Amino acid sequence: AQSVTQLGSHVSVSEGALVLLRCNYSSSVPPYLFWYVQYPNQGLQLLLKYTTGATLVKGINGFEAEFKKSETSFHLTKPSAHMSDAAEYFCAVSDYGAAGNKLTFGGGTRVLVKP
Amino acid sequence: EPEVTQTPSHQVTQMGQEVILRCVPISNHLYFYWYRQILGQKVEFLVSFYNNEISEKSEIFDDQFSVERPDGSNFTLKIRSTKLEDSAMYFCASSVGGTGANVLTFGAGSRLTVL
Repeated sequence: AQSVTQLGSHVSVSEGALVLLRCNYSSSVPPYLFWYVQYPNQGLQLLLKYTTGATLVKGINGFEAEFKKSETSFHLTKPSAHMSDAAEYFCAVSDYGAAGNKLTFGGGTRVLVKP
Repeated sequence: EPEVTQTPSHQVTQMGQEVILRCVPISNHLYFYWYRQILGQKVEFLVSFYNNEISEKSEIFDDQFSVERPDGSNFTLKIRSTKLEDSAMYFCASSVGGTGANVLTFGAGSRLTVL
């Protein structure tokens, strides 16, 4: 069974500071990995995904994540936080059975950006 | 940009009542999903649906739950006799394909409160 662990349910950063959200996964097969963001009263929006190829993946809004197989990690970073980055972030791993794409989510990390 | 639309945004019901949550997936998507998030807990997979039948379901998706695509656009989740523990945010999602690399597009969610 797959699982995802996000270290830290809440993260507080200053505007302009580095954002680092940690995600570790367990999977019996090479994983497909995703980061989603949820702004207040909105749905889950895809930030970026890793499927195959380059292990450093760039997403929207200046975010990027690096797949490290040896560490079973897929940490999300952004060099300089903006007030608009305040949201909840979810890491997810995919079970890529042919029956459909079932995502297993981490517990989420809520980001607070201080001015 | 195409989006997944969910109604209602919030529903309050009495325990034992039937509830139907509605979703309009993206028009060219073929796979449909329901996920839920109990307050303070992880987003959990409930069911995936393809070609007018359930392709996979979780252990949460018991006989009290059912899904239907009654016409060419709507995708519904029915809870036959609601329990207090069914109180959660329910997310509908859709994807073009069913492999792990396919991105799920989520709706904004329907918050169900069972009293």
